[in-house]
Amino acid sequence: AQSVTQLDSQVPVFEEAPVELRCNYSSSVSVYLFWYVQYPNQGLQLLLKYLSGSTLVKGINGFEAEFNKSQTSFHLRKPSVHISDTAEYFCAVSDLRNAGNMLTFGGGTRLMVKP
Amino acid sequence: ETGVTQTPRHLVMGMTNKKSLKCEQHLGHNAMYWYKQSAKKPLELMFVYNFKEQTENNSVPSRFSPECPNSSHLFLHLHTLQPEDSALYLCASSQGQTGNTIYFGEGSWLTVV
Repeated sequence: AQSVTQLDSQVPVFEEAPVELRCNYSSSVSVYLFWYVQYPNQGLQLLLKYLSGSTLVKGINGFEAEFNKSQTSFHLRKPSVHISDTAEYFCAVSDLRNAGNMLTFGGGTRLMVKP
Repeated sequence: ETGVTQTPRHLVMGMTNKKSLKCEQHLGHNAMYWYKQSAKKPLELMFVYNFKEQTENNSVPSRFSPECPNSSHLFLHLHTLQPEDSALYLCASSQGQTGNTIYFGEGSWLTVV
């Protein structure tokens, strides 16, 4: 079985500052990796995903993430955040062995962008 | 705008009530999911349906009963719930193969009193 750890439950940051949201996973097999965002009173929306190829993945809204197999990490970054980035961010993995498409989520990181 | 629509958005029910949550997807997907989102707990997968057949039941108590009459509709029937079942219930859909993007609805907030 796999698991996902998001080390920071909350990350406060000032507007226009860079941010990194950390994600580590544990799995005995290869995985696909995802970042989702949840704005207040909304469902989850895909930011980006890593399936194969380049380890640096670019997503929507200026976010990017880097897959590091040796460190089993998939940290999310943005060079300059906006107030509108305030939301909950979830890292997730999908086990390649599964015939179906099922995600295991981390506990989430609340990004709070201050003016 | 979302291709996955959930109703009702908010539901308050007593422990002896029977109610249902409804989900409809307009994306032509063949897999549908129920997830539970509680405060201070990670999102939990409850059920998975592929081509209307249930392929995953993540040890969910029998007071939660899913129904998938076709690939576009998914229900979650609720009966004799407990206060700890209060949560946001998220419906989602995707193409069934691993790696495909899963699209979520906005959720149904359930409060059990």
